[in-house]
Amino acid sequence: LAKTTQPISMDSYEGQEVNITCSHNNIATNDYITWYQQFPSQGPRFIIQGYKTKVTNEVASLFIPADRKSSTLSLPRVSLSDTAVYYCLVGDMDGSARQLTFGSGTQLTVLP
Amino acid sequence: DTGVSQDPRHKITKRGQNVTFRCDPISEHNRLYWYRQTLGQGPEFLTYFQNEAQLEKSRLLSDRFSAERPKGSFSTLEIQRTEQGDSAMYLCASSLGGDSAADEQFFGPGTRLTVL
Repeated sequence: LAKTTQPISMDSYEGQEVNITCSHNNIATNDYITWYQQFPSQGPRFIIQGYKTKVTNEVASLFIPADRKSSTLSLPRVSLSDTAVYYCLVGDMDGSARQLTFGSGTQLTVLP
Repeated sequence: DTGVSQDPRHKITKRGQNVTFRCDPISEHNRLYWYRQTLGQGPEFLTYFQNEAQLEKSRLLSDRFSAERPKGSFSTLEIQRTEQGDSAMYLCASSLGGDSAADEQFFGPGTRLTVL
């Protein structure tokens, strides 16, 4: 079963760049790393997904080193509305069952 | 609104009762997932379907839990003989699936279950 580790919380100020790192062992060869954002009383929302190196979309960048045992979500110029919990999700082949394991989540608080 | 709907949004029941939740995924999505989330924790995988076939099931899923996706469209999750420890948010997600391991899941708003 994949075990993922994220910082419990982070604070930032509006306009700053925020980097959140997730550590994950036992990632399967074919599995991708996906980051989600969750606001209170809502389901998680997809942010970005990658397999290796760097991926960028209109809201974030994802950096994955060659060994793929970690990943870093980068949010440029955060705003107050980015205050949320951020999760990394990786797949893990555990015998015959595919166990999708969310990290413990990082509570990001953006301050004015 | 992601296009995934869940019903009911809230359910209060007494211990020992059975409950059933429904999830309607995005229509063209082949995969459907169920998760459970308790306060302060990340979503915990329960099971997923590829079309109507239940492909994977968490080892943590008790025999009291059962899920179906009879025609490859909507899905139901039933919990029999509920216990107070079943109180949680139950999340459904869907994705296109396919051959690639890349899999963007779209989550519904969840069903919050409270067992008294």
